[in-house]
Parts: sequence; structure tokens; C-alpha cells
Amino acid sequence: EPEVTQTPSHQVTQMGQEVILRCVPISNHLYFYWYRQILGQKVEFLVSFYNNEISEKSEIFDDQFSVERPDGSNFTLKIRSTKLEDSAMYFCASRDGMWNTGELFFGEGSRLTVL
Amino acid sequence: GENVEQHPSTLSVQEGDSAVIKCTYSDSASNYFPWYKQELGKRPQLIIDIRSNVGEKKDQRIAVTLNKTAKHFSLHITETQPEDSAVYFCAASPPNTGFQKLVFGTGTRLLVSP
Repeated sequence: EPEVTQTPSHQVTQMGQEVILRCVPISNHLYFYWYRQILGQKVEFLVSFYNNEISEKSEIFDDQFSVERPDGSNFTLKIRSTKLEDSAMYFCASRDGMWNTGELFFGEGSRLTVL
Repeated sequence: GENVEQHPSTLSVQEGDSAVIKCTYSDSASNYFPWYKQELGKRPQLIIDIRSNVGEKKDQRIAVTLNKTAKHFSLHITETQPEDSAVYFCAASPPNTGFQKLVFGTGTRLLVSP
């Protein structure tokens, strides 16, 4: 069964450093997302991406965040200057383009620890 | 924007009992309501979903009901098993987003004791 894959599974970084989290969505999917989950809390929407552009973003997704689809398979989330409060599990998700399905397929997550 | 409340935060049941988790949402125009199961350290996985034009949907031991007037929806698990133990998240998809985003509830930790 195809699945969303993410790397790294865990990254530890110093405050102020840049971090790039990588995702390979399911190959025939057209919509891509990043969500985050602070430990013990709910899953929060960050950004959605379709047709090579951001379609929606949350208040969390400020100028320190950016997303990119550099080639036909990868989808990346960049945090330019990490803060302590960026520590969380970051989930990439994708879904296909069928109008009548809303199921998101999540990756296993990338745990980011900012020291 | 949309806000989703979820109760209870924890739920302990004996194997074989039923479990019910309830969610309310704020935007009456939200039109899609999925439930995700997240096992410890794992990714969220869809277990069932319902659209605003349907009042109830069932899949084996799992059912979801939607009351649009009251703006709440519930997950029902019958004949619970220890492997049902996980955190369950409800979510709502705000209108005019083309399922572009989900707003999640705060989660319910379900513990099924043998």
C-alpha cells in the first residue's frame, strides 16, 4: 500500500538554526499539507499546497516558514530560524484529487526538538 | 474560524463495552467530519468519516452520527477490544476550502482494559 514518507524521523537543532523537513507524498496525489502536533496536544493545520502554490495557511505559518515542491516527488517544509516553541511533531499529508474524497494520508512524522 | 471541541479527554472501558466520543463544531457550514485514530508514536489514520448530507454512517464496529442542527457529531465503538486503545481525534473541514484543511479536536485517549 502506498504511503507518505518523511525524513528525518527526528531532528535536534539549536535555536536560530534553519531546518528542512522532507516528505514524499503518495505519487498520484495532488494536494499536500503540513500539520504539526506539539507533544500531548491536538494536530494543527499549517499549510496546504496545490498546483505548485500555497492554497491556504494558518496563523502559525508565518514568514519563518516556507514550503516547496522542488521536483516531482518531494515536498519540503523549511523553518528559517527555529524557536523553542517550534518543537513539535510535524506531519506531512497528502490526498488525491477526487472531489468526493477528503481522506488525508499522513506520514509517520518528523519530530523536531529545538534546544 | 472553525473551532472543534472534543469530550471526554480520556475514556476507560472494559473490553466488550461500548465507547462514545463526542465533538462539537462552531461553523454550521462545515461539511466534512472525519475521525482519526493515532496509536502511540504513530501517524493519525482515518477510521471513518461523514459528510454533512448524511446523518449516520457505520463500518463494522464503528459508527459516526452527525446532528447538523446541534452542530455535533459522535464516534461510537461497540464491542471494544484492547487494540482499540489509542488517541482518537475528530475533525471538521470548514466550508469553501475544498477539504483544504482540517480543524482537529483536542483528542480522546481511549483505554480498553482486558
